[in-house]
Amino acid sequence: AQTVTQSQPEMSVQEAETVTLSCTYDTSESDYYLFWYKQPPSRQMILVIRQEAYKQQNATENRFSVNFQKAAKSFSLKISDSQLGDAAMYFCAYRSADTSYGKLTFGQGTILTVHP
Amino acid sequence: EAGVTQFPSHSVIEKGQTVTLRCDPISGHDNLYWYRRVMGKEIKFLLHFVKESKQDESGMPNNRFLAERTGGTYSTLKVQPAELEDSGVYFCASSQRRLHEQYFGPGTRLTVT
Repeated sequence: AQTVTQSQPEMSVQEAETVTLSCTYDTSESDYYLFWYKQPPSRQMILVIRQEAYKQQNATENRFSVNFQKAAKSFSLKISDSQLGDAAMYFCAYRSADTSYGKLTFGQGTILTVHP
Repeated sequence: EAGVTQFPSHSVIEKGQTVTLRCDPISGHDNLYWYRRVMGKEIKFLLHFVKESKQDESGMPNNRFLAERTGGTYSTLKVQPAELEDSGVYFCASSQRRLHEQYFGPGTRLTVT
């Protein structure tokens, strides 16, 4: 079974600064997808960024980028030029590339606070 | 386009009572997922529907939980009888195809007293 671990229950950052959220995972599969989801307070969870394991290039979405280290099974999220609206709970998630399964396996979450 | 909706947003019931949670996926999304987050822990998968069929129910905790998806549209998750450990936030998500992005609903916060 796959597991996802987020070792930072809480993180904080100053507005306009950069912060990195950590995520490690364990799997015996060679092909899979990794995700970062964001859940702002009292709002729906939304997808921030997605990485396919077969791609060596790290995914980027505007101010959000990942550092995907497949051999180390590490998948960190870097938020550059942090904004107040980035304050949220962030979840790292794993999904098998096996089309028989669509379920996501989540980490425990990291609460990100952004200070003005 | 309307997003995934869930009803109710919050439910408080006593131990032993029954509660039914509802999820309306995005129109046209064949895949519907239920997840649960117990306080302070990770979000855990409960089950996955493809249209009206249960594709994967490996995460259902016990037979007090019953999920249905009538006609492949909305889904209900019934807890009967509810226990204290059932408290948490129940999320629903839908996707057009299995490997497509999952869109999440706002969740239903269930409190069992």
